Amino acid sequence: NAGVTQTPKFQVLKTGQSMTLQCAQDMNHNSMYWYRQDPGMGLRLIYYSASEGTTDKGEVPNGYNVSRLNKREFSLRLESAAPSQTSVYFCASSEKDRANVTRNTEAFFGQGTRLTVV
Amino acid sequence: QQPVQSPQAVILREGEDAVINCSSSKALYSVHWYRQKHGEAPVFLMILLKGGEQKGHEKISASFNEKKQQSSLYLTASQLSYSGTYFCGTEPLISNFGNEKLTFGTGTRLTIIP
Repeated sequence: NAGVTQTPKFQVLKTGQSMTLQCAQDMNHNSMYWYRQDPGMGLRLIYYSASEGTTDKGEVPNGYNVSRLNKREFSLRLESAAPSQTSVYFCASSEKDRANVTRNTEAFFGQGTRLTVV
Repeated sequence: QQPVQSPQAVILREGEDAVINCSSSKALYSVHWYRQKHGEAPVFLMILLKGGEQKGHEKISASFNEKKQQSSLYLTASQLSYSGTYFCGTEPLISNFGNEKLTFGTGTRLTIIP
């Protein structure tokens, strides 16, 4: 059982290049998230998806786009990378059952993608 | 807006206790607590739902005061393995349910020395 898988683990981009970070989960979770982590800033939410076919902005969405391709996959795209986007990116997933409010909504994280933009 | 955590960092000797606080400006449905070791992904510790509950996990416990929109994480008789950065995550209260917007604080770095 792999949990949440992110690819690639490391990436170096030149300013202006584009790339897509991939995330897949095998736990049949409805909710998926993309965060970036910078020193002293904690984990900041970029985008999230409550279910297949829906996406919403988080705290820092500028410069990013997302696609919830299906229930398993949630990708993050940088159209024109900037040095300010140098960060560690984490994908996460969780489950929520609105029919049972006591259901655990624990988030599971991937191992992260370390992105450097030069 | 990110929840606010305090302190930003704390250094303890093995066996000492610590309290980490988390507060939000918004009404909350739940508070999550995670620990992250250096170079690794955050790992879930516990979740507290609105209703003002308190939970325990070995020597780590937490409380949630929904009226004050605050949560505290208590680490007692700390062990070397407790070292890491602790994050609280919050879900806002929407129509008596949460929603999926899980937002994290800036973290508290805990260092345990022998």
